[in-house]
Amino acid sequence: NAGVTQTPKFQVLKTGQSMTLQCAQDMNHEYMSWYRQDPGMGLRLIHYSVGAGITDQGEVPNGYNVSRSTTEDFPLRLLSAAPSQTSVYFCASSGQEDNEQFFGPGTRLTVL
Amino acid sequence: AQSVTQPDIHITVSEGASLELRCNYSYGATPYLFWYVQSPGQGLQLLLKYFSGDTLVQGIKGFEAEFKRSQSSFNLRKPSVHWSDAAEYFCAVGSGGSYIPTFGRGTSLIVHP
Repeated sequence: NAGVTQTPKFQVLKTGQSMTLQCAQDMNHEYMSWYRQDPGMGLRLIHYSVGAGITDQGEVPNGYNVSRSTTEDFPLRLLSAAPSQTSVYFCASSGQEDNEQFFGPGTRLTVL
Repeated sequence: AQSVTQPDIHITVSEGASLELRCNYSYGATPYLFWYVQSPGQGLQLLLKYFSGDTLVQGIKGFEAEFKRSQSSFNLRKPSVHWSDAAEYFCAVGSGGSYIPTFGRGTSLIVHP
């Protein structure tokens, strides 16, 4: 099993550009989530999904969109990038039995 | 709503010394509790977790944590710290109905030789 994979590892954008961060898991997990990590702020939940076709907002959803068309994939879209979205983004998945999160390696995003 | 507090932003210890990282949570029922570790430039790895049963939980890399309901705490301990333990540590609380756990802000562990 590859676990949770994320692409790309690094990305530099200009203000106003759009892009999609990819996340996939091969553990047949129901739940998937996106976090951003900023110094001193810990992990903040952006969006999450409890199954294919079902998504909901987390703590900091503004400026981000998600969709969940399959169990495996949970892409995060930045519609119009802003410097405030410079961060490290982590995708995670978990099964129905408990809340244990399995994390991807992260994407470091810089918006100029 | 559930919440987690990690009171210490940074902790500095000498190699070989004992370690205790504090975690306090807020949740009405019996929580699910987790400790994760993040090495520099890496993702998060689960150290240990508590759902029920024995309140002293053993994890990987020689870590343990004790659930104390009366104090709403789940402190992480290690008897002898190694230089490779230098990392960011996150406590998290979840429940059967919340799907996604809530994370604390993290404690950065610095290990002096």
